[in-house]
Amino acid sequence: EAGVAQSPRYKIIEKRQSVAFWCNPISGHATLYWYQQILGQGPKLLIQFQNNGVVDDSQLPKDRFSAERLKGVDSTLKIQPAKLEDSAVYLCASSITSTTLQYFGPGTRLTVT
Amino acid sequence: DQQVKQNSPSLSVQEGRISILNCDYTNSMFDYFLWYKKYPAEGPTFLISISSIKDKNEDGRFTVFLNKSAKHLSLHIVPSQPGDSAVYFCAASGGSNTGKLIFGQGTTLQVKP
Repeated sequence: EAGVAQSPRYKIIEKRQSVAFWCNPISGHATLYWYQQILGQGPKLLIQFQNNGVVDDSQLPKDRFSAERLKGVDSTLKIQPAKLEDSAVYLCASSITSTTLQYFGPGTRLTVT
Repeated sequence: DQQVKQNSPSLSVQEGRISILNCDYTNSMFDYFLWYKKYPAEGPTFLISISSIKDKNEDGRFTVFLNKSAKHLSLHIVPSQPGDSAVYFCAASGGSNTGKLIFGQGTTLQVKP
């Protein structure tokens, strides 16, 4: 069974530029999560989708971050414009339902200079 | 507001000995706890979990203990192996969004041959 796929794996941008990350969850997984992991901290949930609807985006900085999961399968997370403090690893995870085990992708390491 | 805390950033043990990783939480609504292991450049992978109705769960070399009155859990690895060297994250869920995982900061375990 294929795992959660993410791309790109690494990205370096300058502040005020925009960037997008892509995630393809495990087939059949209805729930998709985006986490931000800043160096030295644990992952923090940014947004949770159930199919193509948003369940929780309470910690998403909505003035600069946006995410979508239009067809209820893959998802994109966008940052526009980026700030230095957005430097982090962005992890995508998926689960069959919201109460089952979450499987994580390898993450995208973003460096904002 | 750090609801899940791992107060030891790092731990070093000798191969064959016991590793004990600790985690404290503050939210009494948490009813499910997990440990994830993370290798460099990979996403977190599930290790073991425990429900709040139990005080111990064992899986091979890994045992998780839960002390609800102290709001404390620990992961025991016996015997420790060099391949166990990784970052270990404690996570908790519960309350209105059971899918939302709250992670601790992580503990880096080094097992020396």
